[in-house]
Amino acid sequence: EPEVTQTPSHQVTQMGQEVILRCVPISNHLYFYWYRQILGQKVEFLVSFYNNEISEKSEIFDDQFSVERPDGSNFTLKIRSTKLEDSAMYFCASTTGLAGWLFFGEGSRLTVL
Amino acid sequence: GDSVTQMEGPVTLSEEAFLTINCTYTATGYPSLFWYVQYPGEGLQLLLKATKADDKGSNKGFEATYRKETTSFHLEKGSVQVSDSAVYFCALMRVEGGSQGNLIFGKGTKLSVKP
Repeated sequence: EPEVTQTPSHQVTQMGQEVILRCVPISNHLYFYWYRQILGQKVEFLVSFYNNEISEKSEIFDDQFSVERPDGSNFTLKIRSTKLEDSAMYFCASTTGLAGWLFFGEGSRLTVL
Repeated sequence: GDSVTQMEGPVTLSEEAFLTINCTYTATGYPSLFWYVQYPGEGLQLLLKATKADDKGSNKGFEATYRKETTSFHLEKGSVQVSDSAVYFCALMRVEGGSQGNLIFGKGTKLSVKP
């Protein structure tokens, strides 16, 4: 069964460092998403991406965040200068169309020290 | 804005007990409704969904009915198993009005089933 894969599964970084989280969405999917879940809290939408551009982003997705689909298969989330409050589980998701349900990866846990 | 409210956990049940996890929503228009499950150490998996009023989603013995009159989508299972222990998330997706299909999640309800 096709699945969304994410790397790394866990990353520890120092505050102020840049982090790139990588995702390989399901191959025939067209819409891509990043969500995050701070420990013990809700899963929150960060950004959606379609046709090689951001289609929607939340208030959380400020200038420190960026997304890219560099090569037609990977979908990356970059945090330019990490803060303590960026510590969370980051989930990538993809879907075929707007009315479809999202397929999530297993998540990348980011710990900022 | 749109929101999802689900019952606080944790919920602890004995094996074969009946499960209900309440979920209500606030949304404009006609959202699609979902239950996602997160097993320990894993990502979010779609459990079931319903896209219009009175639809019933079902999977693995779980059911939920889209009730527009009460804006609810309660999750039920007649007989839980230890393997059902997980965190359950209710979510909605609004696809009209400029939304790009992103999900709005509830806080999650942790279920523990004891043998």
